[in-house]
This record gives sequence, structure tokens and C-alpha cells, in this order.
Amino acid sequence: KNQVEQSPQSLIILEGKNCTLQCNYTVSPFSNLRWYKQDTGRGPVSLTIMTFSENTKSNGRYTATLDADTKQSSLHITASQLSDSASYICVVSARDGGATNKLIFGTGTLLAVQP
Amino acid sequence: DGGITQSPKYLFRKEGQNVTLSCEQNLNHDAMYWYRQDPGQGLRLIYYSQIVNDFQKGDIAEGYSVSREKKESFPLTVTSAQKNPTAFYLCATRQGSYEQYFGPGTRLTVT
Repeated sequence: KNQVEQSPQSLIILEGKNCTLQCNYTVSPFSNLRWYKQDTGRGPVSLTIMTFSENTKSNGRYTATLDADTKQSSLHITASQLSDSASYICVVSARDGGATNKLIFGTGTLLAVQP
Repeated sequence: DGGITQSPKYLFRKEGQNVTLSCEQNLNHDAMYWYRQDPGQGLRLIYYSQIVNDFQKGDIAEGYSVSREKKESFPLTVTSAQKNPTAFYLCATRQGSYEQYFGPGTRLTVT
């Protein structure tokens, strides 16, 4: 069964600190992995997308890693800001043989950055 | 949110009433999607449409209906047959194999 599991479920950190969010998946055949940021009451916004051959990708203070062998990904946030408070969702795309890949969503990690 | 509009942002209905959620896009994307988001769960696919006048059921289509008469519009009707309609509903679009773009969402509360 295709699944995406994220940890921790929630996290509280102080402003300026770093943190790392984890994503483990059992999706096959794998196409790509995305990290989304979702502010409360808003739609998710893409942070990064990683394909099978990519190990690391950065977007400002966000750095995503992918280990396709162990089927794990992480999202590292550097020098956190209050505006980083949001839910971070890992989404894995599975090739289903059709024109549109199937997306499997994790339940998200709720991050709270405190001053 | 880009060029995707969902209205209204908050919607309240009495149990037993049908309600239609609006999704409009100006991105000229072929594919449109409806998801439902509940606390502690990942997004679940309700319906999707890859082209005008065609749509497919997702994982949780029961109690929902859609139409795709125009490329830019993909309304979702929550019928009285949906047992637990209270949720956050997200519309998304995609062109080809590129990433999905999400709308701002509609929070539906049924009492």
C-alpha cells in the first residue's frame, strides 16, 4: 500500500533555531517528492520538488534531502522565523501509467515558532 | 494561491441541504482537482478532471458531484448523501506533469 508518514506530528521551536522534519514513504513506482507549506486556513504552497536522482535541493532557508534507497526525505529549516509557523506536508508522486501521476499526501508536521 | 479562486472562504449549511463550492482558475491549466482535508489526515482526492467535459472519481467520491463545462471552472457539489461533509475543501490545478497549484480553500460547516 502506498503510504507517506511524517514525523514529528508537531514541533515547537524558538525563533532563530534550526529544525528538521522527516518524511518516510512506501510508494512505488516513485516519480517525485514534494514538500509543501500550508499556513492555517490557506492552500498548500510548494517549497521544493525532488526527483529520483536528486539528493539535496535548497530554497532559501529550506533544504530538502532525498534518500531514494531508504525512501526517506527530510526538510531542514535554518534560522527559523515566526512566519515559518505552518503545517509542512510531504507529497509523493507515484507513476500510475496514465497521463497524471497519483499523489500520496502525508498528514503533515505542524511547526510553531515562538519568539 | 496563484490564479485559483475558491469562494466563499467560509460556508455554513444545514444538514440535508446540497451545497456547491466554486473553483475558478485563470492559469489555463487542463487538469483540476478537488481534495478534502480533515484534522490529522492527509489530503484525500474527491474528483479530478483532466479535460473539459470529462471527470473521474477519486478515492472518496461518494456523496459528491462535479461538472467541468468550462476549462476555467470546476464546481463541487456536496450532496445530502455525504455523511460527514464538514471539512476544509481544496481545489487544485495542474498542467501536464508539473506540480499542482492549490487554491485558498473553502471551510464548509454543516450543522
